[in-house]
Amino acid sequence: KQEVTQIPAALSVPEGENLVLNCSFTDSAIYNLQWFRQDPGKGLTSLLLIQSSQREQTSGRLNASLDKSSGRSTLYIAASQPGDSATYLCAVMPNYNLFFGTGTRLTVIP
Amino acid sequence: EPEVTQTPSHQVTQMGQEVILRCVPISNHLYFYWYRQILGQKVEFLVSFYNNEISEKSEIFDDQFSVERPDGSNFTLKIRSTKLEDSAMYFCASRVAEAGELFFGEGSRLTVL
Repeated sequence: KQEVTQIPAALSVPEGENLVLNCSFTDSAIYNLQWFRQDPGKGLTSLLLIQSSQREQTSGRLNASLDKSSGRSTLYIAASQPGDSATYLCAVMPNYNLFFGTGTRLTVIP
Repeated sequence: EPEVTQTPSHQVTQMGQEVILRCVPISNHLYFYWYRQILGQKVEFLVSFYNNEISEKSEIFDDQFSVERPDGSNFTLKIRSTKLEDSAMYFCASRVAEAGELFFGEGSRLTVL
């Protein structure tokens, strides 16, 4: 059974800092990996989708990488802003359905 | 920008009552999903739906749950007889291709008393 782990569970950084969020998964046979953002009490906003054949994807200040063989993905956020404060979720798709991690709660301090 | 919309945003019900949660997926999407998130826990898959039938369901999705696409735009989740443990945020999601990017709605918070 696919298990997805995200470390750290919570992270607090000063504004302007670059940061990395980590995601690991147990079964490398996946179709893709998707990163989401979730604000408190809200839905999930898709940030980046990486297909299994890709190594990374970029959108603005966000860059996500995927290493299928080691079962790892990272989400890099450049020049963090207070508006980036949210929970970031990693989800893998081994069988056309998503398996989610528990998320990393990010706080960016002004 | 097209989005998945869900109603109601919050529903409070008594244990044993029937609940219907409604979703309008993005219009050109073909694959539809329900997920749920119990407070403080992971987002969990419930069911996927394609071509007017269930394509996969989790062990959570027992006989108390059903899904329907009654017309060309709505996608509903029915819980026949709610239990306390059904209290959660329920998310509808859709995508255009089976392995494509998945888009979620804002969720429907269900509270069972």
